[in-house]
Amino acid sequence: EAQVTQNPRYLITVTGKKLTVTCSQNMNHEYMSWYRQDPGLGLRQIYYSMNVEVTDKGDVPEGYKVSRKEKRNFPLILESPSPNQTSLYFCASSRAGTEETQYFGPGTRLLVL
Amino acid sequence: AQSVTQPDIHITVSEGASLELRCNYSYGATPYLFWYVQSPGQGLQLLLKYFSGDTLVQGIKGFEAEFKRSQSSFNLRKPSVHWSDAAEYFCAVGAVTGRRALTFGSGTRLQVQP
Repeated sequence: EAQVTQNPRYLITVTGKKLTVTCSQNMNHEYMSWYRQDPGLGLRQIYYSMNVEVTDKGDVPEGYKVSRKEKRNFPLILESPSPNQTSLYFCASSRAGTEETQYFGPGTRLLVL
Repeated sequence: AQSVTQPDIHITVSEGASLELRCNYSYGATPYLFWYVQSPGQGLQLLLKYFSGDTLVQGIKGFEAEFKRSQSSFNLRKPSVHWSDAAEYFCAVGAVTGRRALTFGSGTRLQVQP
C-alpha cells in the first residue's frame, strides 16, 4: 500500500531534550516536506526537500532541522525543543513533476513541557 | 502573499442535507487549489484539486468544488451528506513546482446530525 508513515504518532517530552520525528514514504517520491498544524492557523510549511541531499527552509523553520540522506526518509529534528513547538506535525511527499499531488502522513502530536 | 480564508469554523448539517463549505483565496499567480479532509486521529486525505480547465471539479466521496476566479473562491459542495462525512475540511492553495508550499485555511469542522 502506498503511504507516508510517521513515528512516533504521539510524543511528550521536556524542554531542551533533543528529539527526532521520522517520516518515510514507499512511493519513490522525490519531494518531501514537513508542516506543522496549529489551531486557527491551518498548516504551515517547516522544511522541504526536492531530492536526496537537497533541503531548504519553508515558512517556519526556526528551531527545526532536517536531513535527506535517503530518498524514502525525511526526519525532522528538534535539537532543543521548546513549548512553542507543541503542535501537530505532518510529513508530505510527492513526485517531482509539475501538478503532482502531495500525500500526507497521519501526523505526529508533540507536547513539549 | 498568498492566503486562504475559510469563514466557517464549524458547520452542523442534518444527514441527507446538502452541504457547501466556503473557501476564498488570495494568490498572485494562477492558483492551484485543493480540498483536503481530516478525520479524527487521521492524516489529510485529498478530496479534489483544481489546476486548470473545467471550473467544476469532481472529487472522491461525492464531493465537488467550483472555481470562480472573479470571486476568488473555491467552494466545496456535496448534495447529500452522510454521517461518515463528519470531519474537518481544509482548503489549500499553492504551487505545484518549486518548494510546493501549500497555504492552508484554518479549517471547517463539519458535524452531521442524524
